Amino acid sequence: GENVEQHPSTLSVQEGDSAVIKCTYSDSASNYFPWYKQELGKRPQLIIDIRSNVGEKKDQRIAVTLNKTAKHFSLHITETQPEDSAVYFCAAQNTGFQKLVFGTGTRLLVSP
Amino acid sequence: DAGITQSPRYKITETGRQVTLMCHQTWSHSYMFWYRQDLGHGLRLIYYSAAADITDKGEVPDGYVVSRSKTENFPLTLESATRSQTSVYFCASSKPGTANTGELFFGEGSRLTVL
Repeated sequence: GENVEQHPSTLSVQEGDSAVIKCTYSDSASNYFPWYKQELGKRPQLIIDIRSNVGEKKDQRIAVTLNKTAKHFSLHITETQPEDSAVYFCAAQNTGFQKLVFGTGTRLLVSP
Repeated sequence: DAGITQSPRYKITETGRQVTLMCHQTWSHSYMFWYRQDLGHGLRLIYYSAAADITDKGEVPDGYVVSRSKTENFPLTLESATRSQTSVYFCASSKPGTANTGELFFGEGSRLTVL
């Protein structure tokens, strides 16, 4: 089955810096890759997703890139703000099956 | 619009007891899921359901039982709780869209402690 690895497990940046979180997946049939953000004590929420027919997708300060050949995808946050502090989860899914496999999460801390 | 709700939010129980976590959604989403969240493991799928009366195992189903007699409800039962089942449990639902994918909408979570 699918296995998703996520790095780093923790990431500390200064406000205004960029942050990059990387994930790799094992199942070459996976073709949907969402990212979820979980603030402390809250539920995870979708922030951006990408499908295998697209190499990059942007939404304001966040972007996701996908390299299907290498089987890895990354989340990029520019101009980080304290409210970006949260745990971020990547996930992968083979669209033939409605089952997302999540990475282990990255705790991002943005210091003012 | 209540969305997706879980109960109880917090539960303390003892080893060997049966515990049921409830999940209710008002969107009529076809798919529902149960995940557990543990430090260092992220979110792991326990069971999921594609529709009423259709359920299937996820990554970590042992020790858990689910049912789905109605589209809106998806209870998770721990038949004989163990300390290793201490965790935060999230219920989620989705309405598959493009290419059978869809955003997962999570409940608030249920924090279970097994003593």
